Amino acid sequence: QTVVTQEPSFSVSPGGTVTLTCGLRSGSVSTSHYPSWYQQTPGQAPRTLIYNTNTRSSGVPGRFSGSILDNKAALTITGAQADDESDYYCVLHMASGIYVFGGGTKLTVL
Amino acid sequence: QVQLQESGPGLVKPSETLSLTCSVSGASINVYYWSWIRQPPGRGLEWIGWIHYSGSSNYNPSLRSRVTMSVDASKNHLSLDLNSVTAADTAVYYCARYGTMYYFDYWGQGALVTVSS
Repeated sequence: QTVVTQEPSFSVSPGGTVTLTCGLRSGSVSTSHYPSWYQQTPGQAPRTLIYNTNTRSSGVPGRFSGSILDNKAALTITGAQADDESDYYCVLHMASGIYVFGGGTKLTVL
Repeated sequence: QVQLQESGPGLVKPSETLSLTCSVSGASINVYYWSWIRQPPGRGLEWIGWIHYSGSSNYNPSLRSRVTMSVDASKNHLSLDLNSVTAADTAVYYCARYGTMYYFDYWGQGALVTVSS
């Protein structure tokens, strides 16, 4: 069973920078997994932030960026704002054609 | 503008079949790939599977034995059936479109389905 790992929670100060990661319990994440990132606030559907590792979805502010860092996909928020306080999910596309979501990271801005 | 809307019974009895429909507007259903994703209350997202109009599909291995997806191009909608449900299948069910870069670009608002007698 493929397990995608994310930090359960993270905290950042307003204006600060935070990097959330998305790893594989067994193996390394690469661009071949086409990592994508989604932001979700309570009661809302997820919103697409980043796809294909580092491409921002339409309308997403430039403070959100994606990359591969130390064999994990990473989402960096530079200059965090109060309304960035949300749950963040990554998802990986596996060679078998299935998708696996990470458990999500609850980001607090305070 | 692409819009997706899930619909179906909000309450299903244990051991019965959960059936949902996703109506698509603003995009032709026979061009793209479509997925179902669910989220139990207070928990994370779980990918259920994807389907293409051609009939090709792929399901989450943990749900594969209980899931059937289909596409109806004449109605521009897709359907999800999940049989032998238990309380663990209680969740908000989302339909989503995904494209060539293997990401979900449009999502429905979600439909809460509760499994209870």
